Amino acid sequence: KAGVTQTPRYLIKTRGQQVTLSCSPISGHRSVSWYQQTPGQGLQFLFEYFSETQRNKGNFPGRFSGRQFSNSRSEMNVSTLELGDSALYLCASSRTGGLTEAFFGQGTRLTVV
Amino acid sequence: GNSVTQMEGPVTLSEEAFLTINCTYTATGYPSLFWYVQYPGEGLQLLLKATKADDKGSNKGFEATYRKETTSFHLEKGSVQVSDSAVYFCALVDNNAGNMLTFGGGTRLMVKP
Repeated sequence: KAGVTQTPRYLIKTRGQQVTLSCSPISGHRSVSWYQQTPGQGLQFLFEYFSETQRNKGNFPGRFSGRQFSNSRSEMNVSTLELGDSALYLCASSRTGGLTEAFFGQGTRLTVV
Repeated sequence: GNSVTQMEGPVTLSEEAFLTINCTYTATGYPSLFWYVQYPGEGLQLLLKATKADDKGSNKGFEATYRKETTSFHLEKGSVQVSDSAVYFCALVDNNAGNMLTFGGGTRLMVKP
């Protein structure tokens, strides 16, 4: 059974650009959540999608957005990149979210220069 | 709001030593509690979980007991190995506050041969 796949693994962007990250959840999982991991702020919740609908949203500016497709694959987009957006972005999938076990991908390492 | 507090690391132990990593939480509802482990360059892996008071989660020699009276979920292992070197995160999900995981700051464990 394939795990959670995130692409790309590494990304270097320039300030002001935008970026799109992709996450393919485990087959049968309908909930996809995104987290940002930085040395200073730790792991912070961005948003959760379930059946193509955003169900929960963390405390991030509107430059951070996401969507989920009918096959449960999810993308997150960051517009007008800032240096502080440099982080490891982790995607987690679970069957229904909440108390069901979340499986994490290896993450996308974004560096903004 | 919800929060998780972990002991700061790094924790450095010799092989076969006893491990304790402290974790306390605050939550508005009745959370489920988790320990995740992150190896270098990897995403998060679920280590163990407990869904109600007095539950004990266990896996790979690690244990943690859900203590509602002290709002704690300390991680223990009787004899650590070099391969246990990683960063350990305590986390909770509180269904009264959305379906997202709230993480502690992480504790780096280094085990020396």
